[in-house]
Amino acid sequence: AQSVTQLDSQVPVFEEAPVELRCNYSSSVSVYLFWYVQYPNQGLQLLLKYLSGSTLVKGINGFEAEFNKSQTSFHLRKPSVHISDTAEYFCAVSPPTSSNTGKLIFGQGTTLQVKP
Amino acid sequence: NAGVMQNPRHLVRRRGQEARLRCSPMKGHSHVYWYRQLPEEGLKFMVYLQKENIIDESGMPKERFSAEFPKEGPSILRIQQVVRGDSAAYFCASSPLRGGHEQFFGPGTRLTVL
Repeated sequence: AQSVTQLDSQVPVFEEAPVELRCNYSSSVSVYLFWYVQYPNQGLQLLLKYLSGSTLVKGINGFEAEFNKSQTSFHLRKPSVHISDTAEYFCAVSPPTSSNTGKLIFGQGTTLQVKP
Repeated sequence: NAGVMQNPRHLVRRRGQEARLRCSPMKGHSHVYWYRQLPEEGLKFMVYLQKENIIDESGMPKERFSAEFPKEGPSILRIQQVVRGDSAAYFCASSPLRGGHEQFFGPGTRLTVL
């Protein structure tokens, strides 16, 4: 079975500073990896995904993530954050098996608080 | 192209009542997923449906919960005899493909059980 651990429940950071949100996963098979963002009282929006190929994935809003198979990690980074990036961020995995139904397994979430 | 629609956005029920949550997928999407977000927790998968079929219900509580996705109309998540522990945000996502790794989420229904 797969599981996802987001190591930080809250990450406070000042505007224009860099940020890294950490995500580790546990799986005996290869997985697809995702980062979603949830703004207050809204649904989830896909930031980026890793299915195969280059381990550095670029997403929307200036975010990127790097897949590290040996460390089973998929950390999210942004070189300079804005106030508008304040939101909840979720890391998720999905196993690409032949019977895969595409269901996502989510981490607990990390609240990014960008301060002026 | 309208996004995934969920209604109602907020639903208040008393213990023992029934809750019906509706999800209209994006146009052209025939695959629907339901997830539940309990307070201070991440989202948990509940059920995956294709038109007229339940494909994976491994995350559904064994009692009181049911889901359907009829040939016509929205997908429905039904909770009978609600209890306070059912209070949560329920999100629907749709995908155009089986095993869809591009899931588009609705805004959620926030259920409060008094």
